[in-house]
Amino acid sequence: EAGVTQSPTHLIKTRGQQATLRCSPISGHTSVYWYQQALGLGLQFLLWYDEGEERNRGNFPPRFSGRQFPNYSSELNVNALELEDSALYLCASSVGSGGADTQYFGPGTRLTVL
Amino acid sequence: GQQLNQSPQSMFIQEGEDVSMNCTSSSIFNTWLWYKQEPGEGPVLLIALYKAGELTSNGRLTAQFGITRKDSFLNISASIPSDVGIYFCAGGRSGSARQLTFGSGTQLTVLP
Repeated sequence: EAGVTQSPTHLIKTRGQQATLRCSPISGHTSVYWYQQALGLGLQFLLWYDEGEERNRGNFPPRFSGRQFPNYSSELNVNALELEDSALYLCASSVGSGGADTQYFGPGTRLTVL
Repeated sequence: GQQLNQSPQSMFIQEGEDVSMNCTSSSIFNTWLWYKQEPGEGPVLLIALYKAGELTSNGRLTAQFGITRKDSFLNISASIPSDVGIYFCAGGRSGSARQLTFGSGTQLTVLP
């Protein structure tokens, strides 16, 4: 069974540009989560999508946004990039049950903002 | 953002030794998860715990969900070189706040 996949592996942008990151969940999973892992700051929750809707978002500015498609894949968009947005962006998926469930992570997209 | 208190921050051990790390929180969690991350990769799930008091093993790894639901520990027995990496604990909740809250990680180095 294929795991969570993310693309691209690496992304280099300049300040002010926009970045789009993509995630495909494990087959059968309906929930997708996005996390930011900046150097020295650990994993911080960004966004949670389930059944095509945004269910919760972390303490990040509105220029971090995303969506979930009918096939449950997801996109994370970061507008007006700033230097401090440089980080590993991780996507996780879960079965989307009502209770707390287990999240499986993809390999991440390394975003570098110059 | 909120993080769990994970300790120790780093460990240097000899191959064959046992390792113990733990996480504590001021808040209750419904789930405790332990992940391992190697450089340039995403976290890989090691053990998932769903009930207070639960003790679960996965090979040489053993983890427990604290009775108060505010803590968890991970033990690794007879460490080997491939155990090197960063180990993260994560707490999860049900309902509208199902995102994970992570510890700051324990960097494990195994010396031959």
